[in-house]
Amino acid sequence: AQSVSQHNHHVILSEAASLELGCNYSYGGTVNLFWYVQYPGQHLQLLLKYFSGDPLVKGIKGFEAEFIKSKFSFNLRKPSVQWSDTAEYFCAVNPAFTGNQFYFGTGTSLTVIP
Amino acid sequence: SQTIHQWPATLVQPVGSPLSLECTVEGTSNPNLYWYRQAAGRGLQLLFYSVGIGQISSEVPQNLSASRPQDRQFILSSKKLLLSDSGFYLCAWATPPDTEAFFGQGTRLTVV
Repeated sequence: AQSVSQHNHHVILSEAASLELGCNYSYGGTVNLFWYVQYPGQHLQLLLKYFSGDPLVKGIKGFEAEFIKSKFSFNLRKPSVQWSDTAEYFCAVNPAFTGNQFYFGTGTSLTVIP
Repeated sequence: SQTIHQWPATLVQPVGSPLSLECTVEGTSNPNLYWYRQAAGRGLQLLFYSVGIGQISSEVPQNLSASRPQDRQFILSSKKLLLSDSGFYLCAWATPPDTEAFFGQGTRLTVV
């Protein structure tokens, strides 16, 4: 089975700090990539997605992610976090064209301190 | 627009009892359907997925089974629940490679 690694399990930041969450995957073929967010007590929501084209993807709420194919990575970034960004963040991979599965990482819990 | 319904939201069941969680999707035809289990620190574990009626793929051998009796209905079942089946179960639909996965609200299952 494919694997998705999120190395930061728990991140604590002060408001206005910059954020970068790592995501690496093990699939060697073409992939679709996603970042999801789960706010406390809410369901999973899509932050952004990459299917093809510009490897720098802009999402909602000021988030962006960069796909680096050579590093099998899709790191999530935000220049200045807010208290409302406190949530759990999941990276996901879908092997495009050859697979129907969506594989998720273990998640990163982000706490933003006001 | 597409919507996904998952019920019940919470469930407390005794060990050894059967389980049936249901998920239905509206507004799309022939979607792929998925069951995930979410556990703290372990992310979302893909349990089953289905690409069509009666077609079930299992990702992880376990005490659970899945069925897809209709195009937009996906059921997660167990004949006899174990304590280790406790968790948060999520249903999702997608039409890869064109879309992301869309999730339901989830079911919190506690086996006692």
